[in-house]
Amino acid sequence: EPEVTQTPSHQVTQMGQEVILRCVPISNHLYFYWYRQILGQKVEFLVSFYNNEISEKSEIFDDQFSVERPDGSNFTLKIRSTKLEDSAMYFCASSVRTGGTEAFFGQGTRLTVV
Amino acid sequence: AQSVTQPDIHITVSEGASLELRCNYSYGATPYLFWYVQSPGQGLQLLLKYFSGDTLVQGIKGFEAEFKRSQSSFNLRKPSVHWSDAAEYFCAVGPPSNTGKLIFGQGTTLQVKP
Repeated sequence: EPEVTQTPSHQVTQMGQEVILRCVPISNHLYFYWYRQILGQKVEFLVSFYNNEISEKSEIFDDQFSVERPDGSNFTLKIRSTKLEDSAMYFCASSVRTGGTEAFFGQGTRLTVV
Repeated sequence: AQSVTQPDIHITVSEGASLELRCNYSYGATPYLFWYVQSPGQGLQLLLKYFSGDTLVQGIKGFEAEFKRSQSSFNLRKPSVHWSDAAEYFCAVGPPSNTGKLIFGQGTTLQVKP
């Protein structure tokens, strides 16, 4: 069964460092998303991406965040200068289209900023 | 404001007992509705979804959910819980135009007693 894969599963980084979280969406999917879940809080939408551009982003997705689809298979989330409050589980998701079908989620990357 | 409420943060049931997890939403129109499950160390797995039609929907692992428009609810049920059902359960809603941008509830942790 096709699945969304994320690497690494856990990343520890020092405050102020840049991190890149990687995702391989399901191959025939066209819409890609990042969510995050701070420990003990809700899963929150960060950004959606289609046709090589951001289609929607939340207030959380400020200038320190960026997304990219560098090739035909990967979808990345970059955090430029990490802060302690960026520590969270980050989920990648993808869907075939936007309406009438569900998003499939990866297993998440736990980011710990120290 | 759009929101999803799962009133029960933590539920414990005995193996073999029935289960109902509550979900209420606040949304401008009838959204698409989802239940996801997250086992420890795993990603978010879709249990079931409601887009339209029959308000009682069947999902994987013997779960079902009923959409009640008048109550803005989408409660998840299972007639007989198995120990392997212990996990965290998330209710989510999304606009029909964009099922990738989801609003999640805070989750309900299910513990199953032998």
